[in-house]
Amino acid sequence: EIVMTQSPATLSVSPGERATLSCRASQSVGSNLAWYQQKPGQAPGLLIYGASTRATGIPARFSGSGSGTEFTLTISSLQSEDFAVYYCQQYNNWPSWTFGQGTKVEIK
Amino acid sequence: QLQLQESGPGLVKPSETLSLTCTVSGGSISSSNYYWGWIRQPPGKGLEWIGSMYYSGSSYYNVSLKSRVSTSVDTSKNQFSLKLSSVTAADTAVYYCARQLGGVFGPWGQGTLVAVSS
Repeated sequence: EIVMTQSPATLSVSPGERATLSCRASQSVGSNLAWYQQKPGQAPGLLIYGASTRATGIPARFSGSGSGTEFTLTISSLQSEDFAVYYCQQYNNWPSWTFGQGTKVEIK
Repeated sequence: QLQLQESGPGLVKPSETLSLTCTVSGGSISSSNYYWGWIRQPPGKGLEWIGSMYYSGSSYYNVSLKSRVSTSVDTSKNQFSLKLSSVTAADTAVYYCARQLGGVFGPWGQGTLVAVSS
């Protein structure tokens, strides 16, 4: 099983600032990496797939980068609606898909 | 717009079988290229993939749950289902269904909380 490790567990950021979230895979997953956003009481929603492709309707302030074992999700200027928990997920290892433990982005 | 909705009992007794159904609207469950998946989230914890199935019936399961999981599809009702046997308190979670393309999940249902308790 590929283990996904996210850091930090919690990120405190002021509105308008930049947030950088990290995700590391225990072995290479190529670019088969997705990011999801989960707001309290809601289901996760797809943000990024293919490590860097934004899903339909996702604002340009969200960007993903990386390949292999190291990945980054950047939110360029945090809006109030962006405070949430973010999960990475690898889908390189078919059929065994695994998620990171999540990074909570909270208001500083 | 594709929508998914989970349904089933919110309380299951230990050692019994958890059964959930996901109803798909706004699209066909028989669409080629799409799988249909189940993911769960224990309270306050992260996400765990349970299993995925194709409309033809082929399925894949998380190795850690494989001995207890079964899935099925009812194309006439545009539904797919999950059964998890011999449940314990560790199976208490919000259970989500989702469409899956390749290995990417989206959209997701709103989720349903299933508690395991006597």
